[in-house]
Amino acid sequence: KAGVTQTPRYLIKTRGQQVTLSCSPISGHRSVSWYQQTPGQGLQFLFEYFSETQRNKGNFPGRFSGRQFSNSRSEMNVSTLELGDSALYLCASSNRGRADTQYFGPGTRLTVL
Amino acid sequence: GQQLNQSPQSMFIQEGEDVSMNCTSSSIFNTWLWYKQDPGEGPVLLIALYKAGELTSNGRLTAQFGITRKDSFLNISASIPSDVGIYFCAGRNNTGKLIFGQGTTLQVKP
Repeated sequence: KAGVTQTPRYLIKTRGQQVTLSCSPISGHRSVSWYQQTPGQGLQFLFEYFSETQRNKGNFPGRFSGRQFSNSRSEMNVSTLELGDSALYLCASSNRGRADTQYFGPGTRLTVL
Repeated sequence: GQQLNQSPQSMFIQEGEDVSMNCTSSSIFNTWLWYKQDPGEGPVLLIALYKAGELTSNGRLTAQFGITRKDSFLNISASIPSDVGIYFCAGRNNTGKLIFGQGTTLQVKP
């Protein structure tokens, strides 16, 4: 079974721009969660989608949004980028979501200049 | 919000030594997970624990779900150079959110 894939792997943007990151979960998995990882804050939960609905949300501003499609693929969007948004963005998928184990993708490294 | 305290923050050990790291919380969790992350990659699941008191092994790795449901530990026996990386604990609470510890950086000297 193929693992979680994320595209692109690396991205460089400038302040004020917006960005869209993509995540394809493991085949058959219906839950996708997004995390931001930075050296100072560690792994911070952004949001979780299950069957196209946002089921959980972390404490991030409204500039961070996401969605999930009927094939379980998910996208994350960050608008009006700030320097502090530079991070590794990780996507994780699981089968049932709440009680199931999450498997991570390789991440997208976003650099904001 | 819920916090996980993971310790130690970093370890520098000799190849062949055993390693122990743990996570504690003031709140209970329903699931404990242990991940390893290599530079530039996403975390890879090592061990998943679903019941209080559960002790699970994966090769040289052993992890336990604390009886109080507020802690977990991970042991690595007979460390080898490829064990180098950052180890994260993660606890899932009853809202379904996964909370991560700050990580333990392990360095192994050949």
